[in-house]
Amino acid sequence: AQSVTQPDIHITVSEGASLELRCNYSYGATPYLFWYVQSPGQGLQLLLKYFSGDTLVQGIKGFEAEFKRSQSSFNLRKPSVHWSDAAEYFCAVGPGSGAGSYQLTFGKGTKLSVIP
Amino acid sequence: GAVVSQHPSRVICKSGTSVKIECRSLDFQATTMFWYRQFPKQSLMLMATSNEGSKATYEQGVEKDKFLINHASLTLSTLTVTSAHPEDSSFYICSAIGRGGSLLRGYTFGSGTRLTVV
Repeated sequence: AQSVTQPDIHITVSEGASLELRCNYSYGATPYLFWYVQSPGQGLQLLLKYFSGDTLVQGIKGFEAEFKRSQSSFNLRKPSVHWSDAAEYFCAVGPGSGAGSYQLTFGKGTKLSVIP
Repeated sequence: GAVVSQHPSRVICKSGTSVKIECRSLDFQATTMFWYRQFPKQSLMLMATSNEGSKATYEQGVEKDKFLINHASLTLSTLTVTSAHPEDSSFYICSAIGRGGSLLRGYTFGSGTRLTVV
């Protein structure tokens, strides 16, 4: 069974500071990996995804994530955080190619607060 | 492209009544839709997966008689919470994947429905 761990429940950073949100996954093969952002009372917006190839993926809003197979990690980064980035961030894992399923498993989320 | 509209965004109902939540794919044909439930400050819990024209597949522990899911067309899936009780109060989110699609295109999520049962 696939699982996702986001070890940080809540992170607070100053505006302009760099950010790294951690995500570790458990999956028997090479998974598909996603980061989503959720503003209060809203649905989820896809930030970026990894399927194969270059392990550093670029997303929207200046976010990037790096897939490290040896560490089973897919950490999200942003070099300079803006106040509008304050939200809940979810890492998700999906079955890889050929699995025949579309089911995503989500981590518990990391709430990001930004200090002006 | 790939827009999913979820309605209503917020609903308050009395205990014992039923509530229907709609999830529509506006610009693509959604062959598979997913319904999630999100408790306050918690992650998304998959409730069920529905494929157009067939019965929904419910996750373990989800009462199929309480949470009725219909996916009668390629653009509409509905979740009906029957005989709602205060413990059913939650944030419900749908997502959809299109015909011929795969996770390569990712999911599109609705904006969610906040259900409050009083």
